[in-house]
Amino acid sequence: DAGVTQSPTHLIKTRGQQVTLRCSPKSGHDTVSWYQQALGQGPQFIFQYYEEEERQRGNFPDRFSGHQFPNYSSELNVNALLLGDSALYLCASSSPGRGRVTQYFGPGTRLTVL
Amino acid sequence: QKEVEQNSGPLSVPEGAIASLNCTYSDRVSQSFFWYRQYSGKSPELIMSIYSNGDKEDGRFTAQLNKASQYVSLLIRDSQPSDSATYLCAVNDKKVGGTSYGKLTFGQGTILTVHP
Repeated sequence: DAGVTQSPTHLIKTRGQQVTLRCSPKSGHDTVSWYQQALGQGPQFIFQYYEEEERQRGNFPDRFSGHQFPNYSSELNVNALLLGDSALYLCASSSPGRGRVTQYFGPGTRLTVL
Repeated sequence: QKEVEQNSGPLSVPEGAIASLNCTYSDRVSQSFFWYRQYSGKSPELIMSIYSNGDKEDGRFTAQLNKASQYVSLLIRDSQPSDSATYLCAVNDKKVGGTSYGKLTFGQGTILTVHP
């Protein structure tokens, strides 16, 4: 049973560029959430996708956008990269439920913006 | 006030001791609470979830929840050097009507070091 997978593992970009990160959820999960974790901080919620729509969004600018495909996999896109976007980007998958939703994290993508 | 706050670290305990990690949260309607362990350079790994007041034990780990005090803690008994990691407390949002979408709000993490 495959867990959450993410690609690529590491990525180096320069300011102003655009980046796309990918995530495949755990088998049986249909909801994907994205988090940004800066060094020394806890993960911060970016947004969540369910049924190919953004269902919730955290306090991130419109430069951060996403997509969910019919097979439940998801992409995170970041435009006009800033130095401050350097972080570990985590994807988590879950199944919808009433009250007791558990999220499982993928290995993450380390993004470095130079 | 931060939504989820953890006791400042780093925390250093000798091997075999009990490590105590604490967390407070601000949203009174929160219903689900989680402890994740994160090794350096790795992603968070779920180690405990707790939903009701009281204690929940799983092996060497015990989670404690007090909703009246908006407080959740994690005890690690017989601490091992392999327990050295950052421990993240996370709280799940709760929507009106009971449906949870699973958005997690994390504390800043507490670094635990277990020395031989």
